[in-house]
Amino acid sequence: NAGVTQTPKFQVLKTGQSMTLQCAQDMNHNSMYWYRQDPGMGLRLIYYSASEGTTDKGEVPNGYNVSRLNKREFSLRLESAAPSQTSVYFCASSESEDRSSYEQYFGPGTRLTVT
Amino acid sequence: SQKIEQNSEALNIQEGKTATLTCNYTNYSPAYLQWYRQDPGRGPVFLLLIRENEKEKRKERLKVTFDTTLKQSLFHITASQPADSATYLCALGGYQKVTFGIGTKLQVIP
Repeated sequence: NAGVTQTPKFQVLKTGQSMTLQCAQDMNHNSMYWYRQDPGMGLRLIYYSASEGTTDKGEVPNGYNVSRLNKREFSLRLESAAPSQTSVYFCASSESEDRSSYEQYFGPGTRLTVT
Repeated sequence: SQKIEQNSEALNIQEGKTATLTCNYTNYSPAYLQWYRQDPGRGPVFLLLIRENEKEKRKERLKVTFDTTLKQSLFHITASQPADSATYLCALGGYQKVTFGIGTKLQVIP
């Protein structure tokens, strides 16, 4: 049981380049989330998916797109990277459909630097 | 707008003492509140959840209180150990998503 996995662990991009961050969970969770974490700002929600086939914007969605490929996978795409997107990105999942469990399980993070 | 406040400064305590971390919030009526632990270079790990109709929750050496009138949660670690050194995040829960505070760094000194 790997929990939540993210790839890559580290990435350096030049301004204007694009990339996709991958996330997968093996806990059969319904909800998945993408956060970014910056010093002094805490974790901020970028996008989330409450169930397979649905996605919604979080607090800071500009410059990002997401795809909920299936129940296991939720990817985050940067179409044209900017230095302001330098951050640590975390994917998380939770089983919230029946409201019985709200705790979120986080992946190890992707450290992205945009130069 | 919604605001969550946690002590932004680090909290240093002596081993064996009780550590108390504070989470205050405004313009929010959360259905529940969570506490997470985050170690450097790693993702947060869930510790405890307390619902709006609960006053107190315990798990081993951890205790959380939730006062919806004061809009405050206190997180206690009793008999603290150096291994408890980490950043602790509070998170307010609503429909389908939660909002995180910036966290308080706890350092337990041997």
